Amino acid sequence: GAVVSQHPSWVICKSGTSVKIECRSLDFQATTMFWYRQFPKQSLMLMATSNEGSKATYEQGVEKDKFLINHASLTLSTLTVTSAHPEDSSFYICSARANLGQTIAYEQYFGPGTRLTVT
Amino acid sequence: DAKTTQPPSMDCAEGRAANLPCNHSTISGNEYVYWYRQIHSQGPQYIIHGLKNNETNEMASLIITEDRKSSTLILPHATLRDTAVYYCIVRVAGDFNKFYFGSGTKLNVKP
Repeated sequence: GAVVSQHPSWVICKSGTSVKIECRSLDFQATTMFWYRQFPKQSLMLMATSNEGSKATYEQGVEKDKFLINHASLTLSTLTVTSAHPEDSSFYICSARANLGQTIAYEQYFGPGTRLTVT
Repeated sequence: DAKTTQPPSMDCAEGRAANLPCNHSTISGNEYVYWYRQIHSQGPQYIIHGLKNNETNEMASLIITEDRKSSTLILPHATLRDTAVYYCIVRVAGDFNKFYFGSGTKLNVKP
């Protein structure tokens, strides 16, 4: 149990276009999901907290109009990188936190990541 | 959340125990210690967590000092597949509490 998937696993897009990344909790419900970004040889940086049915909250310095987050259901959150530029090229990782009352551990579970390359 | 300090890298021989230290001298009484690891180009994987007592599961053991200012993750019999970056994180357990990752320790398991 406690599997989180991301789609796509990698994507290449042209500068100026938008890219959507999906994060799904496959066998549990998650009111809260998190989005991270990781540049090569660096640690994960928390970008935003995605809350089902409400607006996402963004970490300081993260542009909310550039990184649009939609958490439409208890198992799906999406991150859209709008007007992507080469400096947005990175490894994007989501995590999902199981809701209380479910049988799995009270932890965050991470997706496998999405490699975005903007040319 | 309290900050953590970990050595940037460690080596371990295959089959031997790997002991990864973490300092968290400003940890609060209600903050847990979590360990995750990240194998190259994958998402982080949960290993173990604890509050005060030592914990053990099928992957590892977590030893927390009595004053809770430091902890050690122990992989009892390291294999080549354990080569990864190991992150020690302290945070309050709760619905809206986030994980902030430090720089972690790169564990190199060598044959």
